[in-house]
Amino acid sequence: QTVVTQEPSLTVSPGGTVTLTCASSTGAVTSAYYPSWFQQKPGQAPRALIYATSNKHSWTPARFSGSLLGDKAALTLSPVQPEDEADYYCLLYYDGPQPWVFGGGTKLTVL
Amino acid sequence: EVQLVESGGGLVQPGGSLRLSCAASGFTFSNYWMTWVRQAPGKGLEWVANIKQDGSFKSFADSVRGRFTISRDNANNALYLQMNSLRAEDSAVYYCAKAGSSYVECESWGQGTLVTVSS
Repeated sequence: QTVVTQEPSLTVSPGGTVTLTCASSTGAVTSAYYPSWFQQKPGQAPRALIYATSNKHSWTPARFSGSLLGDKAALTLSPVQPEDEADYYCLLYYDGPQPWVFGGGTKLTVL
Repeated sequence: EVQLVESGGGLVQPGGSLRLSCAASGFTFSNYWMTWVRQAPGKGLEWVANIKQDGSFKSFADSVRGRFTISRDNANNALYLQMNSLRAEDSAVYYCAKAGSSYVECESWGQGTLVTVSS
């Protein structure tokens, strides 16, 4: 069974920079996994931020960026704002019976 | 503006069935893949199933394959999830989501509907 792993929690100061990562149990994450990223605040539905590694939706703030970092997908926030405190999930594509798998999520605290 | 409104959630006994619906508006429904995602209380997101624009191709998570069915009615802009043989671990908020272009999954989301499986 495929497992997608994210940092369970991270803490960052307002105005700082933080990078969240997304790893696959199958090996290195490449652009062929079409990594996407989502933000979810308490009591709300998730919101899409990044698709296909580094592409932003029209509503995505400029301070969010996606990339590949080593053998993982990455989401970088800079500068971090207090309203960025939320859970963040990555989603990877696999060419198989279950084509999409979410990571376990990262709880980002802005303190 | 894209709008996705889920309905059909509720309390069901283990082994029972439930059918969720998602009413779509604000876009040409028949042009997009559609997906169901769920989230158990206090837990992370779990991709459940998706369906191609014309309904000709469907995929399922390992955890629901053989028990859940996904379907759509393009004439009425509606997405469905038929859930059979329900288990306690299927208890979750179920979200309907619209894809974007190719390999752009879950671009827009509904607010979700809660399913509780309990005796």
